[in-house]
Amino acid sequence: GAGVSQSPSNKVTEKGKDVELRCDPISGHTALYWYRQSLGQGLEFLIYFQGNSAPDKSGLPSDRFSAERTGGSVSTLTIQRTQQEDSAVYLCASSLGQRVYNEQFFGPGTRLTVL
Amino acid sequence: SQKIEQNSEALNIQEGKTATLTCNYTNYSPAYLQWYRQDPGRGPVFLLLIRENEKEKRKERLKVTFDTTLKQSLFHITASQPADSATYLCALLPASGGSYIPTFGRGTSLIVHP
Repeated sequence: GAGVSQSPSNKVTEKGKDVELRCDPISGHTALYWYRQSLGQGLEFLIYFQGNSAPDKSGLPSDRFSAERTGGSVSTLTIQRTQQEDSAVYLCASSLGQRVYNEQFFGPGTRLTVL
Repeated sequence: SQKIEQNSEALNIQEGKTATLTCNYTNYSPAYLQWYRQDPGRGPVFLLLIRENEKEKRKERLKVTFDTTLKQSLFHITASQPADSATYLCALLPASGGSYIPTFGRGTSLIVHP
């Protein structure tokens, strides 16, 4: 398909373990966003990549969170030493990126459960 | 700090009626406003974009208004159908040249009863 894909769809881990979440954006989209959505909460911005520019990491909640985007395409969000409060749905979105109002195309999300 | 408010209570309406959802904001002067639809277990899907100099935008059964004086956007679905049942999110965007990071509301759940 031509949409944004994320893997895994579900991840259950134990407190203290590290996890990696993957996002494959739509080909040709230069902008990529990571969000976190907890039950009943809005989309919490985490990090934004635009082309070859330095990412905007202003939304990362702690230094346990990091993200990479290789070759301007696939992105990986890593959470180290997971805590129970990290449990949420992690959503990735991509957009054409040329205009601030370009619509975002979201993936289905990764549901993370930290026991 | 920026604040976006959407009705936290679900909106229940009968099929065929017009649904109206509200997005209010404070401490923000967005240049653009978007509405998204989110179904359970899925990511949001873009519906409409409205610019600050546009009062109203329509797309099929959808209509969005944007009042920068009241700091409010209204989202209408006319002739609503049970398939319209979902959570609807508004997102505020700054003017071009600023941050490309949208600020999302928490969303309002719409339930259309047959």
